[in-house]
Amino acid sequence: AQKVTQAQTEISVVEKEDVTLDCVYETRDTTYYLFWYKQPPSGELVFLIRRNSFDEQNEISGRYSWNFQKSTSSFNFTITASQVVDSAVYFCALRMNTGFQKLVFGTGTRLLVSP
Amino acid sequence: GAVVSQHPSWVICKSGTSVKIECRSLDFQATTMFWYRQFPKQSLMLMATSNEGSKATYEQGVEKDKFLINHASLTLSTLTVTSAHPEDSSFYICSAREDPFALTEAFFGQGTRLTVV
Repeated sequence: AQKVTQAQTEISVVEKEDVTLDCVYETRDTTYYLFWYKQPPSGELVFLIRRNSFDEQNEISGRYSWNFQKSTSSFNFTITASQVVDSAVYFCALRMNTGFQKLVFGTGTRLLVSP
Repeated sequence: GAVVSQHPSWVICKSGTSVKIECRSLDFQATTMFWYRQFPKQSLMLMATSNEGSKATYEQGVEKDKFLINHASLTLSTLTVTSAHPEDSSFYICSAREDPFALTEAFFGQGTRLTVV
C-alpha cells in the first residue's frame, strides 16, 4: 500500500530559526515521485518540488532544501532562516506509478513562524 | 507553471440543493483531472479521477450518484454536489494534468469552499 506519514502535526518557530519538516513514505513501486506542497491560509496548493525515486541528490532552492534518503524512505524538507511568510501547512505527497498515477498526501504539518 | 482555475472560490447553499463547481485548465489541454476534498485541518483526500470523454473513476467510499463528475472537454471538468447536506461542507480542490502518462505535472486549482446551511 502507498502511504505518506508526516508525524509532526504542528511546529512553531521564531523567525530566522531553521526548521525541518519530516516525511516518511511507503511504497512497493521501484519507480515513484515524491512532492512537497505548501498550502497557505488562502487554501491554494503551491508546488515546491518533485523528486523521482532514482535521483537521490539533495536539492537546494534559496532558503529551501530537501534531503531524500531512499534507505530510510524519507524525504525531509528544511527551511533555513524561516520567515513569517513561511507560515502555512506543508504536505508531502507520493505519486503512485500505477493506474492514473494519483497523488497520496500525508496529513500535513502546520508551520507557525512568529516574529 | 500551467494555470488551473476553479469557480466559484466559495459558495453557500441551502441543504437539499445542488451545487456545481467548475475546474478549467486555462493554457493547456487536460486529459486527466482529479477532484479532492479537504475537511478542516485535514489532508486532501482524492474523490475521483476523470479522463476526458470517459466516466470518472471514484475512490472507495465516495458516492458517485451524489458527487457527479463531468469531463466533457479537454479544458473543463465539473463536480456537482447533489442534494447537499451540512456534512458535505468542505474545501474542494481540483487538479489537472496534460499528459495521460503522467510525464507532466498536475496543477491545482485554488479550491472551492462549500458551506451547506
